[in-house]
Amino acid sequence: GDSVTQMEGPVTLSEEAFLTINCTYTATGYPSLFWYVQYPGEGLQLLLKATKADDKGSNKGFEATYRKETTSFHLEKGSVQVSDSAVYFCALAFSGGYNKLIFGAGTRLAVHP
Amino acid sequence: DAGVTQSPTHLIKTRGQHVTLRCSPISGHKSVSWYQQVLGQGPQFIFQYYEKEERGRGNFPDRFSARQFPNYSSELNVNALLLGDSALYLCASSWPGGNQPQHFGDGTRLSIL
Repeated sequence: GDSVTQMEGPVTLSEEAFLTINCTYTATGYPSLFWYVQYPGEGLQLLLKATKADDKGSNKGFEATYRKETTSFHLEKGSVQVSDSAVYFCALAFSGGYNKLIFGAGTRLAVHP
Repeated sequence: DAGVTQSPTHLIKTRGQHVTLRCSPISGHKSVSWYQQVLGQGPQFIFQYYEKEERGRGNFPDRFSARQFPNYSSELNVNALLLGDSALYLCASSWPGGNQPQHFGDGTRLSIL
């Protein structure tokens, strides 16, 4: 079935370091891809999305490119801040279907000063 | 503008009891989806409702049910609670269509004793 696999965390970085969180997917069709972020005690916030191959989503310095050939949607940021510490979820959904997001297990990011 | 609101924020129940969780979507959103997030895992899709009809259901037992009201708010009901039902229950609203971003509430933390 359709699924999302993320790199295991926690990922621990120093402030201003480069961030990559790997995400790969398995899907029977051509999904839209999303990154959501969850801060402690809160719900999920949409970080960025891409709806077709080679699309790049970007927001708040984060970027991810929809790579159909490698079925990947890796999240990157050039310089992380302490305030980026959170759990990041990669997810997929199909445009022709109902509003069902399929999430990965999440990757916890901890950024230290 | 108000975001997605959920109530209550926390709830403690015992095994065998019944629980009702409530969700108010963002104004204008007619689609509401429910997710279960067990500690340390990604959210799992339970239901989607659109225009007061169930449009999608995840792999959850019949103890889980939901409904949507004319004002597009929604309730999630869980009967015969089990210890394994302890989780964060998230509600999300959106425009219809699988590739539409979903906007999440902060969730209801349900603990079963």
